[in-house]
Amino acid sequence: AQSVTQLDSHVSVSEGTPVLLRCNYSSSYSPSLFWYVQHPNKGLQLLLKYTSAATLVKGINGFEAEFKKSETSFHLTKPSAHMSDAAEYFCVVSDQGYSTLTFGKGTMLLVSP
Amino acid sequence: EAGVVQSPRYKIIEKKQPVAFWCNPISGHNTLYWYRQNLGQGPELLIRYENEEAVDDSQLPKDRFSAERLKGVDSTLKIQPAELGDSAVYLCASRLGGTGELFFGEGSRLTVL
Repeated sequence: AQSVTQLDSHVSVSEGTPVLLRCNYSSSYSPSLFWYVQHPNKGLQLLLKYTSAATLVKGINGFEAEFKKSETSFHLTKPSAHMSDAAEYFCVVSDQGYSTLTFGKGTMLLVSP
Repeated sequence: EAGVVQSPRYKIIEKKQPVAFWCNPISGHNTLYWYRQNLGQGPELLIRYENEEAVDDSQLPKDRFSAERLKGVDSTLKIQPAELGDSAVYLCASRLGGTGELFFGEGSRLTVL
């Protein structure tokens, strides 16, 4: 069994300040983990993925995430928010074969000028 | 290369009416998923295909929902009859075997009145 919990439904930041979106997971096996972004009325787009290689994963648009097994966490960060980062972000846990993917409920990121 | 194409983008129907959604995945992607996304929630799997075979339909409400993927390419998801609670965005995604990234279409937003 697997599950994922996104700890914040909404996060508000000012443009130019750091972003932290929190995700905890539960899995009975060694998981693969993903972050997807969804802009309004658009499909989901992959930001980054962890598949048991380096624990610090770099993605697109300056985002990165760190896999911490001891804390069962996979938090998403960005040093400096941009207005275009405003969107909904989903943390996803999967088995290694990618046959079962479980999405979190999402975190809405709001960026103010 | 074209992405995942879904149609229609928007559909408004009255309850008890039928509705169908169509998905054309990325060429060569043998795995196809249908997800349902309710407002403020993450996507939830309805059915997963490997080529033309439905390998996971455990979450598909089979009394009113049906899906097919003839020839292992395009797929259709049907609801008959629709209920008020079926109002949601229906997302199609495809994946190339051996990789973890899902490519999503822009979704079909269903409103049942």
